[in-house]
Amino acid sequence: GAVVSQHPSRVICKSGTSVKIECRSLDFQATTMFWYRQFPKQSLMLMATSNEGSKATYEQGVEKDKFLINHASLTLSTLTVTSAHPEDSSFYICSARDLKAGEGSQPQHFGDGTRLSIL
Amino acid sequence: GQNIDQPTEMTATEGAIVQINCTYQTSGFNGLFWYQQHAGEAPTFLSYNVLDGLEEKGRFSSFLSRSKGYSYLLLKELQMKDSASYLCAFMDSNYQLIWGAGTKLIIKP
Repeated sequence: GAVVSQHPSRVICKSGTSVKIECRSLDFQATTMFWYRQFPKQSLMLMATSNEGSKATYEQGVEKDKFLINHASLTLSTLTVTSAHPEDSSFYICSARDLKAGEGSQPQHFGDGTRLSIL
Repeated sequence: GQNIDQPTEMTATEGAIVQINCTYQTSGFNGLFWYQQHAGEAPTFLSYNVLDGLEEKGRFSSFLSRSKGYSYLLLKELQMKDSASYLCAFMDSNYQLIWGAGTKLIIKP
């Protein structure tokens, strides 16, 4: 089945560091990828929608200059958290939309997530 | 507008049956999804309903009523490993998933 690979799975770094997270669709082309953030005991919050070859669409309240998204190919989207601070510590999850998903199957395939801890 | 609602937490006994309800409001609808999420892990797909009725998959079943904006996830023969959060989400007219806050299911022996 379709697989999405997300790396790294865990990052611990100092405040002020920039962190890049990669999301790859391994066996299908993903024109659209989604980036979510999830704080402890809360639901998934959509941060932005990443479209191949165009600018990402950010949700209200998400700083586009802080969370840089690049969707350079049909199989890769990256999220860079620039100048990260402790309040950016969270679980970041990407998903890729599978346009060829048949009825009854899942429309989005999730990566395993990245746990970001800023000291 | 759009909204989706599900209970915050439920408790059930091992071996029993539990039903998790989800209600939603939206003008554009392309299906209702249920996902399971264990703590610290990404969600995993459980079911998808786009037509009214019951879809059964082993111990898990999902029901949809589009006219009522209502769905439920039914879990039978509960096992301890079923302790997790269960997220319902609907796909809107832009094919974007709108997520509920999740229902934390606690299974007791």
